[in-house]
Amino acid sequence: GESVGLHLPTLSVQEGDNSIINCAYSNSASDYFIWYKQESGKGPQFIIDIRSNMDKRQGQRVTVLLNKTVKHLSLQIAATQPGDSAVYFCAERPNTGTASKLTFGTGTRLQVTL
Amino acid sequence: NAGVTQTPKFQVLKTGQSMTLQCAQDMNHEYMSWYRQDPGMGLRLIHYSVGAGITDQGEVPNGYNVSRSTTEDFPLRLLSAAPSQTSVYFCASRLRGAITEAFFGQGTRLTVV
Repeated sequence: GESVGLHLPTLSVQEGDNSIINCAYSNSASDYFIWYKQESGKGPQFIIDIRSNMDKRQGQRVTVLLNKTVKHLSLQIAATQPGDSAVYFCAERPNTGTASKLTFGTGTRLQVTL
Repeated sequence: NAGVTQTPKFQVLKTGQSMTLQCAQDMNHEYMSWYRQDPGMGLRLIHYSVGAGITDQGEVPNGYNVSRSTTEDFPLRLLSAAPSQTSVYFCASRLRGAITEAFFGQGTRLTVV
């Protein structure tokens, strides 16, 4: 069943193409930024994170870009596959303090067409 | 290694009823937390715990209680359910020094009528 709202922004991408999902964050003092993937009926799954002293970080088929000047975060997925279809959330966190809390964005739905 | 386990997966309550959402993790994580997820909104923190015997409020704590008697378990109690508590609830855990809440449960979909 659906675990997020019906009016999420949706990105439709053909299988094999690259996907770029964007996120604007609010707190210029945030030190960590994280991307999560949430498939229908499941809990969020950690994808990749980046610290504020970095501009880019790469993982397996994913790249996160951070532009602190305009407070913008993006997730790039290379060679998008049907299994990438999900809702993607960004989150920000001020520091690694024990009680430091995450603030989540509302998400973008990625639909992969065949 | 089961990770984070939540029960039940689905629940319907009548207004005024009470219930407990269960959350257990087997990774010896110190930090555990509860979130609710509502349409059009990001995950919002309800309560969290940095270790056994220690709990604190998050962004939306009203109407919910928690306790942490063991490292493994972090139950969330609704004392008197209200329709505004209809939501999907997620429990998460991480090591104390970890950057992210890397482990989430599968969620509990709660409907209050």
